[in-house]
Amino acid sequence: AQSVTQPDIHITVSEGASLELRCNYSYGATPYLFWYVQSPGQGLQLLLKYFSGDTLVQGIKGFEAEFKRSQSSFNLRKPSVHWSDAAEYFCAVGSHQTGANNLFFGTGTRLTVIP
Amino acid sequence: DVKVTQSSRYLVKRTGEKVFLECVQDMDHENMFWYRQDPGLGLRLIYFSYDVKMKEKGDIPEGYSVSREKKERFSLILESASTNQTSMYLCASSYFGQGDPGELFFGEGSRLTVL
Repeated sequence: AQSVTQPDIHITVSEGASLELRCNYSYGATPYLFWYVQSPGQGLQLLLKYFSGDTLVQGIKGFEAEFKRSQSSFNLRKPSVHWSDAAEYFCAVGSHQTGANNLFFGTGTRLTVIP
Repeated sequence: DVKVTQSSRYLVKRTGEKVFLECVQDMDHENMFWYRQDPGLGLRLIYFSYDVKMKEKGDIPEGYSVSREKKERFSLILESASTNQTSMYLCASSYFGQGDPGELFFGEGSRLTVL
């Protein structure tokens, strides 16, 4: 069975500081992995996804994530956080059989950015 | 610009009322989903549909039903609303192709309060 763990419920960073949001997954084969962002009062928007090839994935808004099979992790990073990055971030895992049609989401990490 | 539109952003209903949440997508996607989002629980799948007039139960279908009469429209129905159905409801649509895990496109959400 698939599962996703986001161990940090809430993270606070200063504007301009670097950011890393953790995501660990459980899945028996090579997964499809996604990061979504939800701004206050909005739906979720895809930041990036991994499905094959280079394990370092570039996304929108300057985010990147690295798939580490040995650690079952897909951590999200940004070198310099902007105030507009304050949001909730969700990691999700899917299978090769169903892709985005059957995603299992983590419980989310809320990011606060202080000036 | 691709879009998933949820007709009501905010609703307040009374216990026992019948509630309809409407969702329309303009991307000609086969697949549509209803999720429920609660703090600390992430997103949980209520129902999904792979085609017109087809529906499948997700993880938490109890107390809900759905209707998909047209490809672009997917409705969530609460036959008799209860206070424990107070939540944010998110509609999504997706594609999934050969070698591409696809993507879930989300609406902005419908926040339902049941008194």
